Amino acid sequence: GQNIDQPTEMTATEGAIVQINCTYQTSGFNGLFWYQQHAGEAPTFLSYNVLDGLEEKGRFSSFLSRSKGYSYLLLKELQMKDSASYLCAVRDPAAGNKLTFGGGTRVLVKP
Amino acid sequence: DTAVSQTPKYLVTQMGNDKSIKCEQNLGHDTMYWYKQDSKKFLKIMFSYNNKELIINETVPNRFSPKSPDKAHLNLHINSLELGDSAVYFCASSQAPGTSSGANVLTFGAGSRLTVL
Repeated sequence: GQNIDQPTEMTATEGAIVQINCTYQTSGFNGLFWYQQHAGEAPTFLSYNVLDGLEEKGRFSSFLSRSKGYSYLLLKELQMKDSASYLCAVRDPAAGNKLTFGGGTRVLVKP
Repeated sequence: DTAVSQTPKYLVTQMGNDKSIKCEQNLGHDTMYWYKQDSKKFLKIMFSYNNKELIINETVPNRFSPKSPDKAHLNLHINSLELGDSAVYFCASSQAPGTSSGANVLTFGAGSRLTVL
């Protein structure tokens, strides 16, 4: 089966850095995704990791360690508009390549 | 131009009714999905179609019946609606997963909020 865990909620201050951790246990692995979802809106794609290491995209970076079943999303120079839920998702070829999502981490950015 | 569009955006109905949600994508993707997001915000896959063929069918009551007339459309029909069906239903599309070395990112529609009274 698939199990994806991430913290429920985090609070941070504008301009600061926040790191959202995600651990996963799946039968197979074919990529880990991070999505951002603002309240009442659709999830939008942020980043993708399939090999170990860090992927950087502007203020957002994502890290993957396949041996540890672990990823994190790093948000730097936080802005108020970054207040949203961040969803970790894993693609599992042993499960028809479906994308299974964690419960999401709600990040609240305070002034 | 909206990449993945679904209608209606809001749907309020009585228990026992039958309703449909339509989805269309203009991205040229081969694969389309229905996800359900409940009040606790868990996003769970329900169905996946690749070129009109059902490839993923999670443990979903058979009151839910997806229909894909062509690879750009995937509609969801729900019979005999129950209170527990209240949720936001997201349609999504991607290139067929596993067919290339790329990410095959899912693009989501704006969601259809279903409320069963």
